[in-house]
Amino acid sequence: NAGVMQNPRHLVRRRGQEARLRCSPMKGHSHVYWYRQLPEEGLKFMVYLQKENIIDESGMPKERFSAEFPKEGPSILRIQQVVRGDSAAYFCASSLNVGGTYNSPLHFGNGTRLTVT
Amino acid sequence: ELKVEQNPLFLSMQEGKNYTIYCNYSTTSDRLYWYRQDPGKSLESLFVLLSNGAVKQEGRLMASLDTKARLSTLHITAAVHDLSATYFCAVVPLSQGGSEKLVFGKGTKLTVNP
Repeated sequence: NAGVMQNPRHLVRRRGQEARLRCSPMKGHSHVYWYRQLPEEGLKFMVYLQKENIIDESGMPKERFSAEFPKEGPSILRIQQVVRGDSAAYFCASSLNVGGTYNSPLHFGNGTRLTVT
Repeated sequence: ELKVEQNPLFLSMQEGKNYTIYCNYSTTSDRLYWYRQDPGKSLESLFVLLSNGAVKQEGRLMASLDTKARLSTLHITAAVHDLSATYFCAVVPLSQGGSEKLVFGKGTKLTVNP
C-alpha cells in the first residue's frame, strides 16, 4: 500500500503564476483533506472532498483557490495568480471514514512545499 | 469555534529528563490525536485518544485524555535525542460526526540535548 502520494514535493512559482498540487489518496480511501501549514504554525484545514464532491470548503480562501477530486485521477488543489503569502507547505490526507470508524487517524502525504518568488 | 492550545511551544531538555506537553481545547470533542513532525517531513500519527481517561503508551511517550477538563497531556520519560521533533495535538469537534476535520494546535518544538 503506497500511502498518500503528493507531487511535486517542491514547487517554485513567480507571483501571478498558477500552482497545481496533486494528491493521490491511499488505496481504498475516498475522502481527501487539504491542509496548509505556514512556517512555525500548525496545520490549518482548507477543504474536504469526496469523489466528485466538495463536502466542506470552509477553510479555503474565497478567491484564487479551488480544489477538485474527480472520479478518476488525483485530487488537485489549484492556486491561481499566486502571491508571496501563499508560500507554505500544503498537505493532503486521506481517510476511509466509513460511517463511524472514528479510531482511524488521517494518513498524511509528505506535502508540497510551495515557494512564491 | 474550536481552539486548540499547546504549551509550551518550545521545549529544550536534556537527555534522561522527564517532561510533559499540554494540550487544551475549547469545545467538546470525542477524538484527540497526537502527531510528530520532523523538519521538512510529513506528520506521523502517534496516538488516538477516544474516551475520557484514555491512556496510551509507546516507548518513552505516554498520552492521556481528560475530556471533562478538555485537556490532553503527552509525557516524555527519560528523553533521548531521537525524540527531537515538533509535536502537534489535533482535535475533532463533536459536531463533526464522522468527518476527520482536525483542528491543530501550533505545535511544541522539542529539542533534546545530549
